[in-house]
Amino acid sequence: EIVLTQSPGTLSLSPGERATLSCRASQSVSSSYLAWYQQKPGQAPRLLIYGASNRATGIPDRFSGSGSGTDFTLTISRLEPEDFAVYYCQQYDSSLYTFGQGTKLEIK
Amino acid sequence: QVQLQESGPGLVKPSETLSLTCTVSGGAVSSGLYYWSWIRQPPGKGLDWIGYIYYNGNTNYNPSLKSRVTISVDTSKNQFSLKLSSVTAADTAVYYCARLRAARPLYFDYWGQGTLVPVSS
Repeated sequence: EIVLTQSPGTLSLSPGERATLSCRASQSVSSSYLAWYQQKPGQAPRLLIYGASNRATGIPDRFSGSGSGTDFTLTISRLEPEDFAVYYCQQYDSSLYTFGQGTKLEIK
Repeated sequence: QVQLQESGPGLVKPSETLSLTCTVSGGAVSSGLYYWSWIRQPPGKGLDWIGYIYYNGNTNYNPSLKSRVTISVDTSKNQFSLKLSSVTAADTAVYYCARLRAARPLYFDYWGQGTLVPVSS
């Protein structure tokens, strides 16, 4: 089973700053199988990025994804107040879907 | 716009079977383009994929839950369902249904709002 480790666990930043979230896999993951989600309190996760670098429909261009193999990154170029939430990466391998433990992005 | 809505009992007793149904609108569970999935999230914790079903009844379950999980589909009602047997307090979670693309790239694009199912006597 591929394990996804997200870092940092909590990221404290101010609106307008740049956020860089990391997702590291225990084995190589196909880029086609790597996605990122945003979850706000009391809400379901929302798809942000699929295929490691493709923005989902309606996602602002301040969100971008990159990476390959075992290292993937979600970048938010300029934080807006509504971006403070928990972010999860997710992968597929060998008929199993797994999520990282999440990074909480909080207002500094 | 595709919408998914979970429904089911709000409380389950230990050792009993948890049963939930997901009703899909704005899209057909009979579409061959998607899998129909269940994902859960214990309070304050991360996301765990439970399994999925295809319109033809083919299923794929998380090995960690496989012995206790059954997912079924009713295309006439545009619904799919989850049964989790022999539950314990560790199964207390928010349960989400979600649509999963059946071809690359793979991702969960639409989610229900989730329903909290406590397991308690």
